[in-house]
Amino acid sequence: DAKTTQPTSMDCAEGRAANLPCNHSTISGNEYVYWYRQIHSQGPQYIIHGLKNNETNEMASLIITEDRKSSTLILPHATLRDTAVYYCIVIPPTNAGKSTFGDGTTLTVKP
Amino acid sequence: DTAVSQTPKYLVTQMGNDKSIKCEQNLGHDTMYWYKQDSKKFLKIMFSYNNKELIINETVPNRFSPKSPDKAHLNLHINSLELGDSAVYFCASSQGQGAVGNEKLFFGSGTQLSVL
Repeated sequence: DAKTTQPTSMDCAEGRAANLPCNHSTISGNEYVYWYRQIHSQGPQYIIHGLKNNETNEMASLIITEDRKSSTLILPHATLRDTAVYYCIVIPPTNAGKSTFGDGTTLTVKP
Repeated sequence: DTAVSQTPKYLVTQMGNDKSIKCEQNLGHDTMYWYKQDSKKFLKIMFSYNNKELIINETVPNRFSPKSPDKAHLNLHINSLELGDSAVYFCASSQGQGAVGNEKLFFGSGTQLSVL
């Protein structure tokens, strides 16, 4: 399975865009990039996923580089409630659940 | 209604005891999972069931035994609890097996197990 590397922590001012990077240089051509977040004491929550193209939904945008070796999750207008640990994971082509969520990035949104 | 619910939320017990954690999903999903999150916050897959059939069984001590009476339920039974079993256990579900890697995971709120 492809491994991912994320910064340990990031800060963001409330109302500003939060850009969370993820490196996945060993990703295979048929593996998807998924982002989840975990707010303290809760279960992880799905945010967004993509294969090759950039994606956007009501929560965030996902920018995947052309070589697919890295991606960036963008929260366009961060709020205090976006403070959480953000996990970038790569899903193997068989079985979505067989992935280990690594250290993730602790995003702290400050007023 | 909660999509994936697990009980209990907190479980405190003595070493050597046997305990169970229950999980139910009302999403109509075919696949359910158990994850373990240790003190370092790593979240690791333990088991996965698809339509009551075991499809993932990671390197987990055989003191841990999952049971799926139907596809909406996946319970986790732990025998002879040890100190190292203390962790947060999360149940999750997905629509299918993610055969094309295009599946979202829906997680429960977790069970914090403390073994004394």
